[in-house]
Amino acid sequence: DTAVSQTPKYLVTQMGNDKSIKCEQNLGHDTMYWYKQDSKKFLKIMFSYNNKELIINETVPNRFSPKSPDKAHLNLHINSLELGDSAVYFCASSQDLSTGNQPQHFGDGTRLSIL
Amino acid sequence: GQNIDQPTEMTATEGAIVQINCTYQTSGFNGLFWYQQHAGEAPTFLSYNVLDGLEEKGRFSSFLSRSKGYSYLLLKELQMKDSASYLCAVRPPAGNMLTFGGGTRLMVKP
Repeated sequence: DTAVSQTPKYLVTQMGNDKSIKCEQNLGHDTMYWYKQDSKKFLKIMFSYNNKELIINETVPNRFSPKSPDKAHLNLHINSLELGDSAVYFCASSQDLSTGNQPQHFGDGTRLSIL
Repeated sequence: GQNIDQPTEMTATEGAIVQINCTYQTSGFNGLFWYQQHAGEAPTFLSYNVLDGLEEKGRFSSFLSRSKGYSYLLLKELQMKDSASYLCAVRPPAGNMLTFGGGTRLMVKP
């Protein structure tokens, strides 16, 4: 009965490869997100997506692209992986309301290591 | 832009009270969240403030002063399991794209 689930939990791959991380939420939320947490534990928003719009953090390279087959899923595709992409990637979801107490619920993270 | 500052590390004793501060300088404000993150785990929601004042939730309380751009998380009757990172996050006026501070790593000692 996991609320937000990501796969895989660990991903080790070589520089230059293309990889995907999957995320699913069963909370009925309208909006999903991807965050990157680097080695210094800084959690940075990458994308926010609902069925109406995709909001991209301007600092995210275009090698990263979110893809949503339906409201409950938001997958992250990464092309031409670089050493600096090594980090923990968290998926999250929330109701699509910008007022009130609408906390984001996070998945357990995907630990990506680039060799 | 958003700038959010928290102390990097704090140490406290089991049973004591600790206050973790967060200051923010943002181009807009629509609420502040506190999350707890244990090592190797996902962040979990602790509290939310949008109006000035204190919100109490069991052993945890959170305070907000919008005019000062300041919040704190107060943890009472500290337990060993409270050893974790505590993340402060600000929501912008539109949308729900949170900006997180760097987190405060709290170590609770016996």
